[in-house]
Amino acid sequence: GQNIDQPTEMTATEGAIVQINCTYQTSGFNGLFWYQQHAGEAPTFLSYNVLDGLEEKGRFSSFLSRSKGYSYLLLKELQMKDSASYLCAVYLRGGYNKLIFGAGTRLAVHP
Amino acid sequence: GAGVSQSPRYKVAKRGQDVALRCDPISGHVSLFWYQQALGQGPEFLTYFQNEAQLDKSGLPSDRFFAERPEGSVSTLKIQRTQQEDSAVYLCASSLTSANTGELFFGEGSRLTVL
Repeated sequence: GQNIDQPTEMTATEGAIVQINCTYQTSGFNGLFWYQQHAGEAPTFLSYNVLDGLEEKGRFSSFLSRSKGYSYLLLKELQMKDSASYLCAVYLRGGYNKLIFGAGTRLAVHP
Repeated sequence: GAGVSQSPRYKVAKRGQDVALRCDPISGHVSLFWYQQALGQGPEFLTYFQNEAQLDKSGLPSDRFFAERPEGSVSTLKIQRTQQEDSAVYLCASSLTSANTGELFFGEGSRLTVL
Protein backbone atom coordinates (compact mmCIF):
# COMPACT_ATOMS: atom_id res chain seq x y z
CA GLY A 1 0.00 0.00 0.00
CA GLN A 2 0.87 3.63 -0.27
CA ASN A 3 1.07 5.91 2.76
CA ILE A 4 1.99 9.58 2.96
CA ASP A 5 1.78 11.30 6.35
CA GLN A 6 1.94 14.98 7.18
CA PRO A 7 0.56 17.03 10.09
CA THR A 8 -3.03 18.16 9.69
CA GLU A 9 -2.61 21.74 10.87
CA MET A 10 0.12 24.17 11.87
CA THR A 11 0.15 27.77 12.98
CA ALA A 12 2.98 30.30 12.79
CA THR A 13 3.66 33.99 13.16
CA GLU A 14 4.31 36.42 10.35
CA GLY A 15 8.04 36.78 9.76
CA ALA A 16 8.90 33.46 11.41
CA ILE A 17 10.14 30.16 9.95
CA VAL A 18 8.05 27.00 9.76
CA GLN A 19 8.95 23.43 8.80
CA ILE A 20 6.30 21.05 7.45
CA ASN A 21 7.30 17.40 7.61
CA CYS A 22 6.24 14.57 5.34
CA THR A 23 6.97 10.86 5.69
CA TYR A 24 6.13 8.31 3.05
CA GLN A 25 5.98 4.57 2.58
CA THR A 26 5.31 3.64 -1.02
CA SER A 27 5.80 0.61 -3.22
CA GLY A 28 8.12 2.65 -5.43
CA PHE A 29 9.60 6.11 -5.44
CA ASN A 30 10.62 8.39 -8.24
CA GLY A 31 10.58 11.85 -6.69
CA LEU A 32 8.64 14.02 -4.29
CA PHE A 33 6.67 17.21 -4.90
CA TRP A 34 5.38 19.94 -2.67
CA TYR A 35 2.32 21.85 -3.84
CA GLN A 36 0.61 24.88 -2.31
CA GLN A 37 -3.17 25.11 -2.41
CA HIS A 38 -5.18 28.15 -1.33
CA ALA A 39 -8.80 27.51 -0.42
CA GLY A 40 -10.94 27.05 -3.51
CA GLU A 41 -7.97 27.19 -5.87
CA ALA A 42 -5.83 24.75 -7.85
CA PRO A 43 -2.68 23.26 -6.33
CA THR A 44 0.40 25.11 -7.55
CA PHE A 45 3.91 23.72 -7.82
CA LEU A 46 6.47 24.64 -5.16
CA SER A 47 9.32 22.13 -5.41
CA TYR A 48 10.50 18.78 -6.70
CA ASN A 49 13.16 16.57 -5.08
CA VAL A 50 14.44 13.39 -6.65
CA LEU A 51 17.89 13.21 -5.03
CA ASP A 52 18.78 13.48 -1.35
CA GLY A 53 19.51 16.92 -0.03
CA LEU A 54 18.18 20.44 0.13
CA GLU A 55 16.68 22.40 -2.75
CA GLU A 56 16.37 26.13 -2.13
CA LYS A 57 14.10 28.46 -4.04
CA GLY A 58 13.71 31.91 -2.56
CA ARG A 59 11.84 31.79 0.74
CA PHE A 60 10.99 28.11 0.25
CA SER A 61 13.33 25.14 0.64
CA SER A 62 12.63 21.43 0.43
CA PHE A 63 14.67 18.54 1.79
CA LEU A 64 14.61 14.85 0.93
CA SER A 65 16.06 11.74 2.55
CA ARG A 66 15.16 8.69 0.49
CA SER A 67 16.65 6.22 2.97
CA LYS A 68 14.40 7.59 5.72
CA GLY A 69 11.32 8.15 3.55
CA TYR A 70 11.27 11.73 4.77
CA SER A 71 10.93 15.21 3.37
CA TYR A 72 10.30 18.65 4.75
CA LEU A 73 9.24 21.99 3.35
CA LEU A 74 10.81 25.03 5.01
CA LEU A 75 9.14 28.40 4.70
CA LYS A 76 11.12 31.46 5.79
CA GLU A 77 10.06 35.05 6.45
CA LEU A 78 6.43 33.99 6.59
CA GLN A 79 3.83 36.26 5.06
CA MET A 80 0.09 36.30 5.58
CA LYS A 81 -0.39 35.10 1.99
CA ASP A 82 1.44 31.88 2.91
CA SER A 83 -1.68 30.75 4.77
CA ALA A 84 -2.71 27.75 2.67
CA SER A 85 -2.63 23.97 2.52
CA TYR A 86 0.69 22.36 1.65
CA LEU A 87 0.48 19.03 -0.14
CA CYS A 88 3.26 16.44 -0.14
CA ALA A 89 3.07 14.16 -3.18
CA VAL A 90 5.14 11.17 -4.33
CA TYR A 91 5.82 10.02 -7.87
CA LEU A 92 5.48 6.25 -7.99
CA ARG A 93 7.91 4.22 -10.04
CA GLY A 94 6.14 2.69 -12.98
CA GLY A 95 5.15 3.07 -16.58
CA TYR A 96 3.90 6.60 -16.16
CA ASN A 97 4.12 9.45 -13.72
CA LYS A 98 1.42 8.53 -11.19
CA LEU A 99 1.41 11.13 -8.44
CA ILE A 100 -0.19 10.34 -5.09
CA PHE A 101 -0.85 12.94 -2.40
CA GLY A 102 -0.86 13.21 1.34
CA ALA A 103 -3.87 14.75 3.07
CA GLY A 104 -2.18 18.15 3.23
CA THR A 105 -1.10 20.45 6.04
CA ARG A 106 -3.19 23.57 6.66
CA LEU A 107 -0.91 26.41 7.67
CA ALA A 108 -2.33 29.50 9.35
CA VAL A 109 -0.04 32.53 9.55
CA HIS A 110 -0.97 35.07 12.22
CA PRO A 111 0.19 38.71 12.57
CA GLY B 1 -5.49 28.63 -23.24
CA ALA B 2 -2.51 29.17 -21.01
CA GLY B 3 -3.58 26.76 -18.31
CA VAL B 4 -5.83 23.80 -17.57
CA SER B 5 -9.46 24.79 -17.83
CA GLN B 6 -12.33 22.98 -16.14
CA SER B 7 -16.07 23.43 -16.39
CA PRO B 8 -18.43 23.85 -14.75
CA ARG B 9 -16.69 25.38 -11.73
CA TYR B 10 -19.70 24.57 -9.58
CA LYS B 11 -22.39 21.94 -10.06
CA VAL B 12 -25.32 21.12 -7.81
CA ALA B 13 -27.07 17.85 -8.61
CA LYS B 14 -29.96 16.02 -7.08
CA ARG B 15 -29.19 12.51 -5.94
CA GLY B 16 -29.66 10.15 -8.85
CA GLN B 17 -28.85 12.68 -11.57
CA ASP B 18 -26.04 12.18 -14.07
CA VAL B 19 -23.30 14.82 -14.33
CA ALA B 20 -20.51 15.50 -16.80
CA LEU B 21 -17.39 17.44 -15.94
CA ARG B 22 -15.10 18.78 -18.63
CA CYS B 23 -11.33 19.29 -18.66
CA ASP B 24 -9.40 21.20 -21.31
CA PRO B 25 -5.70 20.50 -20.69
CA ILE B 26 -2.74 22.58 -21.77
CA SER B 27 -2.29 22.22 -25.52
CA GLY B 28 0.15 19.46 -26.44
CA HIS B 29 0.18 17.81 -23.04
CA VAL B 30 0.30 14.04 -23.37
CA SER B 31 -0.75 13.05 -19.86
CA LEU B 32 -4.09 13.85 -18.25
CA PHE B 33 -5.18 12.95 -14.74
CA TRP B 34 -8.41 13.18 -12.80
CA TYR B 35 -8.35 13.50 -9.02
CA GLN B 36 -11.12 13.68 -6.44
CA GLN B 37 -10.58 16.00 -3.47
CA ALA B 38 -12.89 15.81 -0.48
CA LEU B 39 -13.08 18.73 1.93
CA GLY B 40 -9.93 18.98 4.03
CA GLN B 41 -8.22 16.11 2.23
CA GLY B 42 -5.54 15.75 -0.39
CA PRO B 43 -6.38 14.85 -3.99
CA GLU B 44 -7.15 11.15 -4.55
CA PHE B 45 -6.18 9.62 -7.90
CA LEU B 46 -9.07 8.55 -10.11
CA THR B 47 -7.77 7.85 -13.61
CA TYR B 48 -4.97 8.55 -16.10
CA PHE B 49 -4.87 9.09 -19.86
CA GLN B 50 -1.87 9.05 -22.14
CA ASN B 51 -3.16 10.80 -25.22
CA GLU B 52 -6.50 9.08 -25.93
CA ALA B 53 -5.63 5.84 -24.13
CA GLN B 54 -6.94 5.34 -20.61
CA LEU B 55 -4.01 3.48 -19.06
CA ASP B 56 -5.13 3.45 -15.45
CA LYS B 57 -8.63 3.65 -14.02
CA SER B 58 -7.85 1.93 -10.75
CA GLY B 59 -8.96 4.91 -8.67
CA LEU B 60 -12.50 5.19 -10.01
CA PRO B 61 -14.65 4.43 -6.95
CA SER B 62 -17.43 2.57 -8.73
CA ASP B 63 -18.81 1.68 -12.14
CA ARG B 64 -20.91 4.85 -11.95
CA PHE B 65 -17.74 6.79 -12.80
CA PHE B 66 -16.59 6.92 -16.39
CA ALA B 67 -13.94 9.04 -18.10
CA GLU B 68 -13.00 9.54 -21.73
CA ARG B 69 -10.54 11.50 -23.84
CA PRO B 70 -11.52 10.49 -27.37
CA GLU B 71 -9.20 12.75 -29.37
CA GLY B 72 -6.36 12.99 -26.90
CA SER B 73 -7.11 16.52 -25.78
CA VAL B 74 -10.36 17.41 -23.96
CA SER B 75 -11.51 14.91 -21.34
CA THR B 76 -14.88 14.33 -19.72
CA LEU B 77 -15.55 12.71 -16.37
CA LYS B 78 -19.08 11.38 -16.13
CA ILE B 79 -20.79 10.33 -12.95
CA GLN B 80 -24.03 8.42 -13.27
CA ARG B 81 -26.77 8.25 -10.63
CA THR B 82 -24.91 10.62 -8.32
CA GLN B 83 -24.83 9.90 -4.58
CA GLN B 84 -24.15 12.25 -1.69
CA GLU B 85 -20.73 10.70 -1.14
CA ASP B 86 -19.75 11.90 -4.63
CA SER B 87 -19.74 15.49 -3.34
CA ALA B 88 -16.18 16.72 -3.77
CA VAL B 89 -13.94 18.87 -5.93
CA TYR B 90 -12.85 17.06 -9.09
CA LEU B 91 -9.43 18.21 -10.23
CA CYS B 92 -7.94 17.71 -13.65
CA ALA B 93 -4.19 17.91 -14.22
CA SER B 94 -2.01 17.61 -17.29
CA SER B 95 1.66 16.99 -17.93
CA LEU B 96 3.77 17.47 -21.03
CA THR B 97 5.21 13.96 -21.04
CA SER B 98 4.40 10.53 -19.72
CA ALA B 99 7.79 10.07 -18.09
CA ASN B 100 8.28 10.22 -14.34
CA THR B 101 9.56 13.75 -14.50
CA GLY B 102 8.08 17.17 -14.72
CA GLU B 103 5.25 18.76 -12.86
CA LEU B 104 1.53 18.34 -13.14
CA PHE B 105 -0.44 21.48 -13.92
CA PHE B 106 -3.81 21.58 -12.23
CA GLY B 107 -7.08 23.18 -13.17
CA GLU B 108 -9.12 24.99 -10.55
CA GLY B 109 -11.50 22.07 -10.25
CA SER B 110 -15.19 21.41 -10.52
CA ARG B 111 -16.98 21.49 -7.17
CA LEU B 112 -19.84 18.98 -7.17
CA THR B 113 -22.52 19.09 -4.50
CA VAL B 114 -25.06 16.28 -4.47
CA LEU B 115 -28.23 17.02 -2.52
